[in-house]
Amino acid sequence: TQLLEQSPQFLSIQEGENLTVYCNSSSVFSSLQWYRQEPGEGPVLLVTVVTGGEVKKLKRLTFQFGDARKDSSLHITAAQTGDTGLYLCAGRGPWGKLQFGAGTQVVVTP
Amino acid sequence: NAGVTQTPKFQVLKTGQSMTLQCAQDMNHNSMYWYRQDPGMGLRLIYYSASEGTTDKGEVPNGYNVSRLNKREFSLRLESAAPSQTSVYFCASSTTGGWISNQPQHFGDGTRLSIL
Repeated sequence: TQLLEQSPQFLSIQEGENLTVYCNSSSVFSSLQWYRQEPGEGPVLLVTVVTGGEVKKLKRLTFQFGDARKDSSLHITAAQTGDTGLYLCAGRGPWGKLQFGAGTQVVVTP
Repeated sequence: NAGVTQTPKFQVLKTGQSMTLQCAQDMNHNSMYWYRQDPGMGLRLIYYSASEGTTDKGEVPNGYNVSRLNKREFSLRLESAAPSQTSVYFCASSTTGGWISNQPQHFGDGTRLSIL
């Protein structure tokens, strides 16, 4: 059973468009991390959100942690081909272990 | 910057064969992890080592063993490989605090393992 549900599973957009990826759970997390993974490589951390309602911006990427700390979203503005990759959310539960979602594959075409 | 190095990058085994996946980090991290990644399943934790000298089971430990050889190295062994163990295996490390801290996990580039 996947504790963290990511949607959509796959997203294909053109350069310049906006996109949002969602990460949802019925469990409360003490923190949540977003990673990006490119083909043939391991995931790389993008951001960690800790406080309910927190919003963090990383250039064109905006991350939000839900008020109840059960969900999160990643919004990309004016997507570029370099944003192509697998986006993974990972929540840290009360027992301390990190749980990963299945990921959202984002493809940005020129 | 080497970071986390995994060997081999690719391996094909026959059912019943054994092998060891190697992982080394040069960041002086205390905690190390082994994950497997399967399509539609995300990353699932196999074993972890919160600090040198300790190892604990993760979500999917059956069929695997680990050894924390020293602070730098953490190996994963398949004693009798099964087709269900066909996957991409990732090693990761983090600074300290293991599960309590919000430290990022640094991943290697993975070992692609096929078992026929």
